[in-house]
Amino acid sequence: AQSVTQLGSHVSVSEGALVLLRCNYSSSVPPYLFWYVQYPNQGLQLLLKYTSAATLVKGINGFEAEFKKSETSFHLTKPSAHMSDAAEYFCAVSSAFSGGYNKLIFGAGTRLAVHP
Amino acid sequence: DTGVSQNPRHKITKRGQNVTFRCDPISEHNRLYWYRQTLGQGPEFLTYFQNEAQLEKSRLLSDRFSAERPKGSFSTLEIQRTEQGDSAMYLCASSPPPPQRDRGNEQFFGPGTRLTVL
Repeated sequence: AQSVTQLGSHVSVSEGALVLLRCNYSSSVPPYLFWYVQYPNQGLQLLLKYTSAATLVKGINGFEAEFKKSETSFHLTKPSAHMSDAAEYFCAVSSAFSGGYNKLIFGAGTRLAVHP
Repeated sequence: DTGVSQNPRHKITKRGQNVTFRCDPISEHNRLYWYRQTLGQGPEFLTYFQNEAQLEKSRLLSDRFSAERPKGSFSTLEIQRTEQGDSAMYLCASSPPPPQRDRGNEQFFGPGTRLTVL
């Protein structure tokens, strides 16, 4: 079975500071991992994904994440926060592939606030 | 705009009423998913369609819920005899057929339908 734990339901940073959003996963198969961002009243947008290639994955808007198998982690980082990064972030793991499709299993989300 | 669209965006209903939501996926996507997101939680999987076939239903989908995807294009999600616990954001996502068995296939999400049951 697969599951995701996001540590910290709320994170607050200053503009220009490092952003670190934590995600730990559990998976019975080699994990495929995703980070999605959700702005108010909008759907989810894919930031980046790990699919067993490079362990350091670069995404959109300057975000990146590192897959660490030994720590079962996939933390999301950005060197310098911008006010427009304020949103809710979700980590997700892809279910074991069966029947030709995958469903996503999401963490509870982390709300990122950026203050001047 | 060629993304996933959902209608209505907001629905307020009284307990006991029936509601229906519509999802229009990206045109070439044959895979369609429904998720439910309650306040303070991540989306939870409800059901999956491949073309017109409904291949999986979550245990979250009680008998009051029914989803269809006639002709493999748009999909509808109906909730009968709504309860206050049904209040949530209902998200639809679609994805194209992967070139191979690829669990990394990206799902594209619509803006969601927010349901409030009074």
